[in-house]
Amino acid sequence: QKEVEQNSGPLSVPEGAIASLNCTYSDRGSQSFFWYRQYSGKSPELIMFIYSNGDKEDGRFTAQLNKASQYVSLLIRDSQPSDSATYLCAVTGSGGSYIPTFGRGTSLIVHP
Amino acid sequence: DTGVSQDPRHKITKRGQNVTFRCDPISEHNRLYWYRQTLGQGPEFLTYFQNEAQLEKSRLLSDRFSAERPKGSFSTLEIQRTEQGDSAMYLCASSLGSGGQETQYFGPGTRLLVL
Repeated sequence: QKEVEQNSGPLSVPEGAIASLNCTYSDRGSQSFFWYRQYSGKSPELIMFIYSNGDKEDGRFTAQLNKASQYVSLLIRDSQPSDSATYLCAVTGSGGSYIPTFGRGTSLIVHP
Repeated sequence: DTGVSQDPRHKITKRGQNVTFRCDPISEHNRLYWYRQTLGQGPEFLTYFQNEAQLEKSRLLSDRFSAERPKGSFSTLEIQRTEQGDSAMYLCASSLGSGGQETQYFGPGTRLLVL
């Protein structure tokens, strides 16, 4: 069974700091990796996707993928209180499947 | 508005009643997915359509659940004889499938409470 593991947190960081969110996955054939942000009571909102090993930057967000270690992370620079949310990692692509497996999410709290 | 829409946003029903939810995907998207999410968990896959064809169903989708996408546009998810365990957020997502690297965009969800 495909598994995606995330520490549920909460991860608490001060405003302006770097928040580091981690995700590991069990299926070595996985090909596509996504980070979603979900505010309480709302639906997931796509932040970033990454397909290749290495780093991908978009504004204050950087996704890092290491397929050998089956590990994907999300860094949020200059964290703001508005970044406080649950961050979901999703993994897809194994065996040609388009259906993502989601982790349970990490709760991030950015305090002023 | 070009995003995914869902209706209703909230539904309260009594155990044993039937409920139906609707999802309108982004217009050019050919794939549509239904998920269920409970508190503290990530979304769990229920079923997905490519155009009007229902291609995969999760074992979570019991016989009481049925989904349709009759014309390859909007989709409905029906739950018959609801149970308290069906209380959850039901999420719809759509994507434009191309070569396996696709991104899903979620609707606002329908929150179901079964009393």
